[in-house]
Amino acid sequence: EADIYQTPRYLVIGTGKKITLECSQTMGHDKMYWYQQDPGMELHLIHYSYGVNSTEKGDLSSESTVSRIRTEHFPLTLESARPSHTSQYLCASTGQENQPQHFGDGTRLSIL
Amino acid sequence: QKEVEQNSGPLSVPEGAIASLNCTYSDRGSQSFFWYRQYSGKSPELIMSIYSNGDKEDGRFTAQLNKASQYVSLLIRDSQPSDSATYLCAVKAGSARQLTFGSGTQLTVLP
Repeated sequence: EADIYQTPRYLVIGTGKKITLECSQTMGHDKMYWYQQDPGMELHLIHYSYGVNSTEKGDLSSESTVSRIRTEHFPLTLESARPSHTSQYLCASTGQENQPQHFGDGTRLSIL
Repeated sequence: QKEVEQNSGPLSVPEGAIASLNCTYSDRGSQSFFWYRQYSGKSPELIMSIYSNGDKEDGRFTAQLNKASQYVSLLIRDSQPSDSATYLCAVKAGSARQLTFGSGTQLTVLP
């Protein structure tokens, strides 16, 4: 069983607020990923990291930013939330690129 | 052409039937193939990994890989209503550093 945790599970917040979504894993995985998924729609990769101090943007342009200061922690930040940021955000990790990614439970974000 | 394509669905099968889900991919150098199940509002859950040509069975699930034809399929035997979910095919292309996910096939198993 993969040990990857996301907090909060649900967040409803007003426009203009700064938000940080947390993702932590206890497996020592180097590779971590953030996906965005609207209900009934495809997964879109928005950020990934291959290790400490390594971050890259994914296929879908996002106004969010990420950091990787510790191997186990990969937080995502929105400096000023807007209603267009309403979505589900999923964090995943893997030890090897040719191995499956394991997902956290996700954060469902609603911006009013 | 999308890198990973799945049958568009939705797919409905009666309880007890075999559900067949298909996925094609464009990169011949792809090495790793995964099937995930995603219930509505939940995160994807890995159900099968396959790396070599042929069949791989795990309980009621069988993954089939044919690299020459560039397709991977998932068979679900004795389908149950609890199998109703969206199934995502994911491929690790040869030169890519991330997985590429298909858009998913929604499966409904009718009691």
